[in-house]
Amino acid sequence: AQTVTQSQPEMSVQEAETVTLSCTYDTSENNYYLFWYKQPPSRQMILVIRQEAYKQQNATENRFSVNFQKAAKSFSLKISDSQLGDTAMYFCAFMSPRGSQGNLIFGKGTKLSVKP
Amino acid sequence: EAQVTQNPRYLITVTGKKLTVTCSQNMNHEYMSWYRQDPGLGLRQIYYSMNVEVTDKGDVPEGYKVSRKEKRNFPLILESPSPNQTSLYFCASRYGTAGEQYFGPGTRLTVT
Repeated sequence: AQTVTQSQPEMSVQEAETVTLSCTYDTSENNYYLFWYKQPPSRQMILVIRQEAYKQQNATENRFSVNFQKAAKSFSLKISDSQLGDTAMYFCAFMSPRGSQGNLIFGKGTKLSVKP
Repeated sequence: EAQVTQNPRYLITVTGKKLTVTCSQNMNHEYMSWYRQDPGLGLRQIYYSMNVEVTDKGDVPEGYKVSRKEKRNFPLILESPSPNQTSLYFCASRYGTAGEQYFGPGTRLTVT
């Protein structure tokens, strides 16, 4: 069974600095998808970034980028120029397109606080 | 606007009183699912549906029922709620097996 591990329950960063959130996963599959979701105090789940395992190039979305290391099964999120609005829970998630369930497997989350 | 809606957003109820949380999407997605979120556990899938009249259990289905009579709606039913079902519930939908998953705003349920 696939598992997703986020080893940092809480992190903090000063505004305008860079922070990296860690995520590792376990799977025997070769084709899959990885995601980072942001959950602000409003509780809404917001997709931050998505990576397809067959793509070697790391995904980037504005200030958010990932370091995808397939062999190491690592998928870290880097937030550059941190802003107060980045304060939220961040969840790493795994999805396999095989089978009918297509379940998103979530890590337990990292609570990020951006300090002024 | 493409969206997933859930109602109610907040619900406090008592043990054993049947309740339904509705979920509706306007994107013509085949795939819909329900998750529950608990502190320290992340989100876990309760049930999912691949299309109308096709539903199956996720990782934590005990105590829940679902139905999919129309493509846009996927209600979650708690026939006899218990305090361990106090949680934050999310409905989600997507197109196909690998499309982006869209989440509803969440329903905070408290069972006393």
